[in-house]
Amino acid sequence: GNSVTQMEGPVTLSEEAFLTINCTYTATGYPSLFWYVQYPGEGLQLLLKATKADDKGSNKGFEATYRKETTSFHLEKGSVQVSDSAVYFCALTSGYSTLTFGKGTMLLVSP
Amino acid sequence: KAGVTQTPRYLIKTRGQQVTLSCSPISGHRSVSWYQQTPGQGLQFLFEYFSETQRNKGNFPGRFSGRQFSNSRSEMNVSTLELGDSALYLCASSIERGDPYEQYFGPGTRLTVT
Repeated sequence: GNSVTQMEGPVTLSEEAFLTINCTYTATGYPSLFWYVQYPGEGLQLLLKATKADDKGSNKGFEATYRKETTSFHLEKGSVQVSDSAVYFCALTSGYSTLTFGKGTMLLVSP
Repeated sequence: KAGVTQTPRYLIKTRGQQVTLSCSPISGHRSVSWYQQTPGQGLQFLFEYFSETQRNKGNFPGRFSGRQFSNSRSEMNVSTLELGDSALYLCASSIERGDPYEQYFGPGTRLTVT
C-alpha cells in the first residue's frame, strides 16, 4: 500500500534561515505528490504539488521536486518567516482523490 | 466562491452517544472525502463519496458511516462513541477535473468524547 514518511519535528529555526523538511514515499504506480500546510485552529491548505517525476512544485517561496529515483519530495524554503510557523504535511495520491498523509512536521520560526 | 464549510465546529459528547457531522462542499464539487486527525495516528482517510455513492472507504469500524445528498452535501455519523473517537474531523471536496484532482479542505469539526 501507499505510505509517506516525514521527518519528525518540531523544526525550530530563526527568521531568514533555510528550511528543509524531508519526505519520502512508497506507492504503487505513479503517484501525485503534495505538500499541505495547517495553521493553528484551521484546516489544511494545499501549498504545492507535483504530478510526475522531476516536476518542481512551488508556491510562496516554498519548493519541492518530485524525485522518483529516491522516492522523495523534500520541502525547501530559502528564507523562512515567523508567519511560516505551522504544521506541514506531505501527501500522495495514486488515483481519484484519496490522499495518504505523512505524520506532519511542526515548524516553529522565532524572530 | 465560498469554501468548504463544516458544522458544527466544536462538539462535546459522552461515551456511548452518537454524533452527526455535516460538510458542505464548494459549489460545483461532487466529490467529498472525510479524514480523521489525531495526535497519535495523524490524518487517516475515512471515506469518499461521489454523486451520492461511497466510492472508497478507509480502515475504520462500522460505527463510522456517511452519506451524500443530491446537492453534494455530506454527513458522517459515528455511533456508540468511544474516547478514542476524539479527533478533528476534516472534510474535503474536489471538482474531479484536472490532474490530479485537487482537494480543498474545510476547517474541521473538533469532537471531544468524555
